[in-house]
Amino acid sequence: EVQLVESGGGLVKPGGSLRLSCAASGFTFSSLSMSWVRQAPGKGLEWVSSISSTTSYIYYADSAKGRFTISRDNAKNSLYLQMNSLTAGDTAVYYCVREAGGFVATGAFDVWGQGTMVTVSS
Amino acid sequence: QSVVTQPPSVSGTPGQTVTISCSGSRSNIGSNTVNWFLQFPGTAPKLLISSNNRRPSGVPDRFSGSKSGTSASLAISGLQSVDEADYFCAAWDDRVKGVVFGGGTKVTVL
Repeated sequence: EVQLVESGGGLVKPGGSLRLSCAASGFTFSSLSMSWVRQAPGKGLEWVSSISSTTSYIYYADSAKGRFTISRDNAKNSLYLQMNSLTAGDTAVYYCVREAGGFVATGAFDVWGQGTMVTVSS
Repeated sequence: QSVVTQPPSVSGTPGQTVTISCSGSRSNIGSNTVNWFLQFPGTAPKLLISSNNRRPSGVPDRFSGSKSGTSASLAISGLQSVDEADYFCAAWDDRVKGVVFGGGTKVTVL
């Protein structure tokens, strides 16, 4: 079964850091691009970052540039998102998503994890 | 404000066909393919349509996508109560170098 399982969310103070992880299974992780998408409570979807299969291409939303770092470990079938300098505006459910096909960041996210909640509050 | 615009809500009666629009610009929808997602409350989104009009395996053919110029549409024919959900469009944007989502459309079955 194709599956993505996020972990690492939680409550963090403004200015703090958090590292999200995503464990992939049921498919050849090393062959596909991956992304993070977030959703603030009661709001719509917001793309955060994408990384190609070999890490040759990495993209960030303006809201993430300079603060977030996406990475992957193909040997461990894992995707990561290091988040620094967090603000209340980063409070959201963060989804790990798989990109369909062989291209990076087309928006064709065909597999989604269940999401992990990040709450930034003092 | 989203770079890509969707109506906040659409409604229809069972059996009817409803259409959700997704309006963008030359840098996103005008130059790249459009994807559609559906999300039920409290659950993760699900890919409904990719590459403008491709249905992933398991998606009923009641759902169809189209694109013309800088706009795209999702049509739901034979509307059913189970179709009540939020629908989002998304596309790569060449200008911002990122994926842009529409603000989402809530479909209500009357």
